[in-house]
Amino acid sequence: AQSVTQPDIHITVSEGASLELRCNYSYGATPYLFWYVQSPGQGLQLLLKYFSGDTLVQGIKGFEAEFKRSQSSFNLRKPSVHWSDAAEYFCAVASPGATNKLIFGTGTLLAVQP
Amino acid sequence: NAGVTQTPKFQVLKTGQSMTLQCAQDMNHEYMSWYRQDPGMGLRLIHYSVGAGITDQGEVPNGYNVSRSTTEDFPLRLLSAAPSQTSVYFCASRDEGLAGPSGEQYFGPGTRLTVT
Repeated sequence: AQSVTQPDIHITVSEGASLELRCNYSYGATPYLFWYVQSPGQGLQLLLKYFSGDTLVQGIKGFEAEFKRSQSSFNLRKPSVHWSDAAEYFCAVASPGATNKLIFGTGTLLAVQP
Repeated sequence: NAGVTQTPKFQVLKTGQSMTLQCAQDMNHEYMSWYRQDPGMGLRLIHYSVGAGITDQGEVPNGYNVSRSTTEDFPLRLLSAAPSQTSVYFCASRDEGLAGPSGEQYFGPGTRLTVT
């Protein structure tokens, strides 16, 4: 069965510092991979997605993620965090062709210190 | 273009009561889904639909019913609410895309449900 692990429940970084949020997945083949962000009291917004091709994916708000097949990972990065990036981040996977059935990780809550 | 809308935003029910959470989208998306979000568990798929008249179960379907009579609407029904159904519920829709599944799901703002 597919599963997603986000090992960091809560991360605090200083404004301007770099950020890396970890995501590992379990799946027999290469799944479709997604990162979503949820601001307090809001719905989820897609940051970026990976289906195939270039393993470094650029998303919105200056985020990027790198797919590493050998490590079954899809870590999210940002070179310089802004206070407005404070939110909860979710990694998700789906079978190719079945992306209406997303499997989510448990989320990482990001706090940004001034 | 309002995207995905959900009503109500907040609801308190007593155990055993029934209610329907409404979800509508104006993007002509075929695929729609319902998720629940619980602390420490991420989002879990309840039910989904691949088009009008077609629904299927997700990961946690027990206690919930759905129907899809139109492309736009995908209501979620709780027939007899239980405290274990206290959660935040999100509806989502997805575009098939011209080149196949685009993958991006658009989420509504959520309904926060408390069952006492």
